[in-house]
Amino acid sequence: AQTVTQSQPEMSVQEAETVTLSCTYDTSESDYYLFWYKQPPSRQMILVIRQEAYKQQNATENRFSVNFQKAAKSFSLKISDSQLGDAAMYFCACLNAGNNRKLIWGLGTSLAVNP
Amino acid sequence: EPEVTQTPSHQVTQMGQEVILRCVPISNHLYFYWYRQILGQKVEFLVSFYNNEISEKSEIFDDQFSVERPDGSNFTLKIRSTKLEDSAMYFCASRGQGIDGYTFGSGTRLTVV
Repeated sequence: AQTVTQSQPEMSVQEAETVTLSCTYDTSESDYYLFWYKQPPSRQMILVIRQEAYKQQNATENRFSVNFQKAAKSFSLKISDSQLGDAAMYFCACLNAGNNRKLIWGLGTSLAVNP
Repeated sequence: EPEVTQTPSHQVTQMGQEVILRCVPISNHLYFYWYRQILGQKVEFLVSFYNNEISEKSEIFDDQFSVERPDGSNFTLKIRSTKLEDSAMYFCASRGQGIDGYTFGSGTRLTVV
């Protein structure tokens, strides 16, 4: 069974600084995908970034980047130049590449951005 | 950009009542999902649906739950007799053949009183 662990229930960062959110996962699949989702107070689920497990290069989307360590089964999210609008819950999720492709989620990290 | 639409955004219901949560997936998508998020807890997979049948369901998805795609556009989740513990955010998602376009709706907040 797949599991996703986020060990930081809460984090905070100063505006314009950098913060890293941690995620580890466990899967027996050889082909899978990893995601970070942002959930603001509106509770909508917004995709932040995605990483294919077969790709060695770390994914980057503007101020968001990941550190994907496949052997260690680690998938951390780095937010650079943090902005007030980045304050939200962040969920790490793993998706198997089989037919069904359901997402398995971590418990989330609540990120506060201090002005 | 194509969207997954969920209605209503918030529903309050009496314990024991039936509720139907509605979703309009992206039009050319083939796979459909319901997820649930109880306040303060992780998001949980409920059910996946493909080719007009359930392809997988979780332990949560017991006989009180059912899904249906009654026409070519809607995908519904029915809870027959709601319990207090069914209070949660329910997310619908859909995707095409691959991973690209795996899209979530904005959710329905269900409150059972």
